[in-house]
Order: sequence, then structure tokens, then C-alpha cells
Amino acid sequence: AAGVIQSPRHLIKEKRETATLKCYPIPRHDTVYWYQQGPGQDPQFLISFYEKMQSDKGSIPDRFSAQQFSDYHSELNMSSLELGDSALYFCASSARQSTDTQYFGPGTRLTVL
Amino acid sequence: QKEVEQNSGPLSVPEGAIASLNCTYSDRVSQSFFWYRQYSGKSPELIMSIYSNGDKEDGRFTAQLNKASQYVSLLIRDSQPSDSATYLCAVRGGSGGGADGLTFGKGTHLIIQP
Repeated sequence: AAGVIQSPRHLIKEKRETATLKCYPIPRHDTVYWYQQGPGQDPQFLISFYEKMQSDKGSIPDRFSAQQFSDYHSELNMSSLELGDSALYFCASSARQSTDTQYFGPGTRLTVL
Repeated sequence: QKEVEQNSGPLSVPEGAIASLNCTYSDRVSQSFFWYRQYSGKSPELIMSIYSNGDKEDGRFTAQLNKASQYVSLLIRDSQPSDSATYLCAVRGGSGGGADGLTFGKGTHLIIQP
């Protein structure tokens, strides 16, 4: 079965640079969620989108923004990167009309130097 | 502030025994409850979801929910070394129309001893 696709899988950036992470949900899933997981931490919810509209917002820094496109893929844009942004970033998707179960992608490991 | 509490462990269980993982949550309006398994450096993998009070069984796994006590548990029968991982309890609230983010506990590190 098709899963959530995330790209890139690994990303290395310098402080104050920008980064864009991409997420392609499971086919026919209309809702996308972004999570950040620091070393030794539990995943922290950042933001979610349903039908291209922001649906729920968690602890997303003002330096980050995200959107969902007409094909349901989503991008997380991160600016003015800080050392503390180094983490695993997971995207999850769900089919909101049928279930709220979230399925996670493999993640993007972001390292800020 | 939604909170999900888990014992961080490590919880060490002999192979073939029953592993019991517990979780409590603070938000009474929470509607959906999930157990995810996460191997180091990998993404969370869904094990079980539960929505109603009582037990739900799927193979070697049984989830238990008690909304009055705000308590969720996961039992793993016939534990295998491959079950060694961190188990994350996750709770979804009721205010986002179905697209709420999950609140995770810090996870219980389970070790199955051969």
C-alpha cells in the first residue's frame, strides 16, 4: 500500500538559512499534519490542513509557514533557521471523512549547523 | 493545556510474557486514542486506535480505554524481541473538527529480553 512520501529525507542547512520540506499524502487522503520531534523528545504537533485550508495550529514558530496545494501535497517553509530547529520533521495524513487515524511518513531529518 | 503522561521506562519484559503499557490524559473532551510504536530514528507506526470505553483486540495487542479514569493501556501478549521499541500514547482532542493534531506522551521504552 502507498504511504506518505516526504522529501528530502535529509537536509543540512546553516543558521539563518531557509528550508522547504515537502509532503505527499497517501492517495485519497485530504488532511495533512506536520510534527517536529527533537532528540529524545516526543513528536510535537505544528500545523494541519484540510482541503487546502489551515485546520489546527500547534506550537509552530512564527518563522515557519506551511500550505496545502490543490493536489493535497503540503510544504513546510522554515526561515531564519536556528540550531534548535535541528530535528526530525514528520508529515502525517488522514482521510478526514472516514477516519481520523493519522499515518506518518518516514520523516525529514534537518540538521542546522 | 493538554497533557499525556506515560512512564518512560525502560520496561523490561521476558520474551513470551505480557507487556503492559499505561497512559493517562488530562483533557476530558478527548475523543480518540492511539498507540504508536517508534523505533529509534524511524517514524511512528500505528499499532491500535480506540474510541469507546472497554477493550479492543487486534492480534497480540489489546487496547483498553477508561474515559472516567482518563486512562488508556496497551497489552502485548507473547512479547517478541522485535517488539522492543518506544511506545507512544497519543490523544486527539475534540475542537478541530476532525483534523486536530495529536498530543503525544513522552513514550515508554520497552525492552523484550530473549
